[in-house]
Formats: sequence, structure tokens, C-alpha cells
Amino acid sequence: EPEVTQTPSHQVTQMGQEVILRCVPISNHLYFYWYRQILGQKVEFLVSFYNNEISEKSEIFDDQFSVERPDGSNFTLKIRSTKLEDSAMYFCASSEGGQGVYQPQHFGDGTRLSIL
Amino acid sequence: RKEVEQDPGPFNVPEGATVAFNCTYSNSASQSFFWYRQDCRKEPKLLMSVYSSGNEDGRFTAQLNRASQYISLLIRDSKLSDSATYLCVVESNSGYALNFGKGTSLLVTP
Repeated sequence: EPEVTQTPSHQVTQMGQEVILRCVPISNHLYFYWYRQILGQKVEFLVSFYNNEISEKSEIFDDQFSVERPDGSNFTLKIRSTKLEDSAMYFCASSEGGQGVYQPQHFGDGTRLSIL
Repeated sequence: RKEVEQDPGPFNVPEGATVAFNCTYSNSASQSFFWYRQDCRKEPKLLMSVYSSGNEDGRFTAQLNRASQYISLLIRDSKLSDSATYLCVVESNSGYALNFGKGTSLLVTP
């Protein structure tokens, strides 16, 4: 079964540094997403991306964050000037279509980001 | 009011039991609904989409009540491997963002 893959599985970074999280969505999917989950809390939406542009973003996704699809397979989340509160599990997801019960989102196994 | 609310549990049930989880959502305009499961510190995995007329997938049955803004998941003949956190998920109006509940924890014991 096709999978969303994420690297690295764990990233440890000093506060104030920049970090890039990488994702390879499922190959025939056209919509890409980033979510985060702070330990003990619910999964929260960050951003969706389609046709090389952001289609929706949450309040969390401020100027500190950016996304990019640098080539035909990778989808990246960049966090500039990381803060302690950015420590979380970051999940990438993809879907074939943009919405509806017939276009569910499939999640990668996440990158655990630890800010020291 | 939270967008998606679930009873956090935990639900402790013996193998073979039937267990039901409930979920309410606040946005009456929501159109798409899902149940995902999440094992400890793992990614959410799609369990099933929830169709308007209700749907069944093996031991799992999902129901939607739009008037009450209520979604349910029924698990029959529980297995040890069903132990996980069950996430009620509602698609946003835009159709892109998924709004997750905090999840209901299930522990199936021998």
C-alpha cells in the first residue's frame, strides 16, 4: 500500500535555529498538508497546499512557517527561528482530491521535533 | 464550544465486548466526517469515512446524525489489537483542514 514518508523521524534543534521537515506524499496525490500534535494534545491543522500554492492555513501557521514543493516528489515545512513551544510531532498528509469522504487524507509517520 | 468533542475515556473492555464511541461537532455546515485511530505516539490512520446513511466495515459501524451534529462508532467483538485512541474528525468548511477531536482511549483486555 502506498505510504506518505517523512524524514527525519526525530529532529533535535537549538532554540532560534531553522529546521526543515521533509515529506514524500503518495505519488498520485495532488493535495498536501502539514499538521502538528503537541504531546498530550489533539492533532492541529497547519496548512494545505495544492497546485504549488497554499490553499488554506491556520492561525498557527504564521510568518515563522513556510512550505515548499521543491521538486516533483518532496514537500517541505520550514520553521524559522524555532521556539520551545514548537516542540511537537509534525505529520505530513496527502490526499488524491481536495475534499469529501471519498478523498480521505493519509498521514505519514511523523517527525518528532524537539527544541532545546 | 470546541469544534469536535469526544469523551476521552478510557474505555476498558474485555475481548469480545461491544463498545460505542460518540462525538459531537459544532459546525452544522460540515459535510465530511471520518474516524481515525492513533496508536501511542504514532500517526493517525484512517479507520473509516462516515457516510450520511451510515456504513459498516467488518466489525466497525459508523453513524451520522446531522440534525443532532453527532457521530458514533460501534466496535463489535473487540480484539486486543483494537486498543488505541479513536479520533473523531470533521472536515472544515473549506474542505481542506481536518478538525480533530482529542480522541477516546480504548483498552481491550484479555
